[in-house]
Amino acid sequence: SYELTQPPSVSVSPGQTASITCSGDKLGDKYACWYQQKPGQSPVLVIYQDSKRPSGIPERFSGSNSGNTATLTISGTQAMDEADYYCQAWDSSRGVFGTGTKVTVL
Amino acid sequence: EVQLVESGGGLVQPGGSLRLSCAASGFTFSSYWMSWVRQAPGKGLEWVANIKQDGSEKYYVDSVKGRFTISRDNAKNSLYLQMNSLRAEDTAVYYCARVFVYSYGNSWFDPWGQGTLVTVSS
Repeated sequence: SYELTQPPSVSVSPGQTASITCSGDKLGDKYACWYQQKPGQSPVLVIYQDSKRPSGIPERFSGSNSGNTATLTISGTQAMDEADYYCQAWDSSRGVFGTGTKVTVL
Repeated sequence: EVQLVESGGGLVQPGGSLRLSCAASGFTFSSYWMSWVRQAPGKGLEWVANIKQDGSEKYYVDSVKGRFTISRDNAKNSLYLQMNSLRAEDTAVYYCARVFVYSYGNSWFDPWGQGTLVTVSS
């Protein structure tokens, strides 16, 4: 079965850039999206179609996808961005989520 | 406002059954694929099942095939998950999510419901 791997944790200082990777076999041939989940809340879509932002998502969130890796970048990270982030793709009409990354804003 | 509200969770013994419901509002329910996604306590997200707009196509994660059944009632704007032969490892918060399909393989979950907790324990 298809798997997506993320680093368990990423730490970033306020105002700096956080990059979260998502690795999967030929992931660049698929479309990736990203979800943010804060403690006790439901996931929220922050990036779809590799790099597009839904309305209401701040411009500091951006995405890319090439080769075997998709990347979510948070520029000018704010304390409110502290959360778990999950990448997601599709494999034969079945959803696949990444292992998740906890972003800590120090 | 697009809204998804799950219900039906609770405590059930191993081997038991439970039926989850998801009430949709604020959009044309019959025009969208729908999904169930679950999250075990302290763990990551796991896709569980998908259903096409008219119910003609359904897909499941291997671990629930033959035990869970996804269904929908477009007249009632409702999504369901019938869960049989429940196991301890099925313990999780179950989320209902709308699937926005742009093209094959180019889809995303948005929005998500608030989730309903299923606990399988004796």
